[in-house]
Amino acid sequence: EVQLVESGGGLVKPGGSLRLSCAASRITFGSYTMNWVRQAPGKGLEWVSSISSGSSYIYYADSVKGRFTISRDNAKNSLYLQMNSLRAEDTAVYYCARDGNLYCSGGTCFYDYWGQGTLVTVSS
Amino acid sequence: EIVLTQSPGTLSLSPGERATLSCRASQSVSSSFLAWYQQKPGQAPRLLIYGASSRATGIPDRFSGSGSGTDFTLTISRLEPEDFAVYYCQQYDNSPITFGQGTRLEIK
Repeated sequence: EVQLVESGGGLVKPGGSLRLSCAASRITFGSYTMNWVRQAPGKGLEWVSSISSGSSYIYYADSVKGRFTISRDNAKNSLYLQMNSLRAEDTAVYYCARDGNLYCSGGTCFYDYWGQGTLVTVSS
Repeated sequence: EIVLTQSPGTLSLSPGERATLSCRASQSVSSSFLAWYQQKPGQAPRLLIYGASSRATGIPDRFSGSGSGTDFTLTISRLEPEDFAVYYCQQYDNSPITFGQGTRLEIK
């Protein structure tokens, strides 16, 4: 069974930093664009960031641009999200998700596999 | 960015009934780049439909998607107990990709 497992969430003070990880197994990881999507408590889904298979193309939502950095290590089948200057409004469950199609481009695709999510809480 | 508006916000139906969920886009979604997801409490979203009408792997045929342009529909032909959940539409035509606010399908 395909697995995407996020880790690294937790409680952090405003202005602080966290690094999320997503480990992939039994999935073709290195060929696909990977993504982070978040969901604030009781709210809907919000796309955060995307990174192409070879890390050449990277996209961010305006709400996190300049504060978050997405990266990946295909040798380790892992995806990362470095989150700096965290704000209360960044509080959410963060999911990693795989593009559902090899041929999507421009950071726009549907997502066929999702992790179970990791909760980030930004509070003093 | 494209804004997706889902209706109704909550839909109350009984098992065995037909469910019709709507997703309206603020501008045309070309090539029907629209997807539907199901999310149950405490779980990640699950892909149901992509390309407006193509079922994802393993999705039962009671789920169907239709529509084009600005108006899209997810239909569940006969509700099973496990279908009661929140449903989201997503457009992936324009960047940034956006999701609707969700429709909660609850047991009547």
